[in-house]
Amino acid sequence: GDSVTQMEGPVTLSEEAFLTINCTYTATGYPSLFWYVQYPGEGLQLLLKATKADDKGSNKGFEATYRKETTSFHLEKGSVQVSDSAVYFCALSGSSNTGKLIFGQGTTLQVKP
Amino acid sequence: DAGVTQSPTHLIKTRGQHVTLRCSPISGHKSVSWYQQVLGQGPQFIFQYYEKEERGRGNFPDRFSARQFPNYSSELNVNALLLGDSALYLCASSSLTGGGFYGYTFGSGTRLTVV
Repeated sequence: GDSVTQMEGPVTLSEEAFLTINCTYTATGYPSLFWYVQYPGEGLQLLLKATKADDKGSNKGFEATYRKETTSFHLEKGSVQVSDSAVYFCALSGSSNTGKLIFGQGTTLQVKP
Repeated sequence: DAGVTQSPTHLIKTRGQHVTLRCSPISGHKSVSWYQQVLGQGPQFIFQYYEKEERGRGNFPDRFSARQFPNYSSELNVNALLLGDSALYLCASSSLTGGGFYGYTFGSGTRLTVV
């Protein structure tokens, strides 16, 4: 079945460092891909999305490109801030229209001043 | 505009009891989905409802049930609670059934602890 695999965390970076969080997926058909962020004690917030191959999603300095050839959707940011500390989830929507999102296990990012 | 609202925010129940969790979607959103997030893991899909009909069901036992009301709010019910049901329960809404295409808006969740 469909699945998402993220790099294990925690990831600890200094402020202004470059961030990459790897995400690969397995899916039939042409899923949409998402990154969600979860701050402590809160629900999930949609960070960015891409709905077809070669699309680039971007928001708040974060970017991810839908790579069908490598089945990847890696999250990147050029210069992280302390306020980016959170748990990041990669997710995909299946080809069936059931509203089901399949999430990776999450990657904790800690940014130190 | 109010976002997705869930109640209660925290709940403690005893094994074997029943629990009802509630969700109000964003105004105008007709689709509501429920997810279970166990500590340290990604959310797992439980149900999706659209226009008061079940459109999807995840791999959860029959102890889990849900419904959607005419105002598009929703309830998630869990019977015969087990310790393993302790989790953060998240509700998400979307304007269309294709929320998987456009993206969902999540609430802050209900933290259920079963003792």
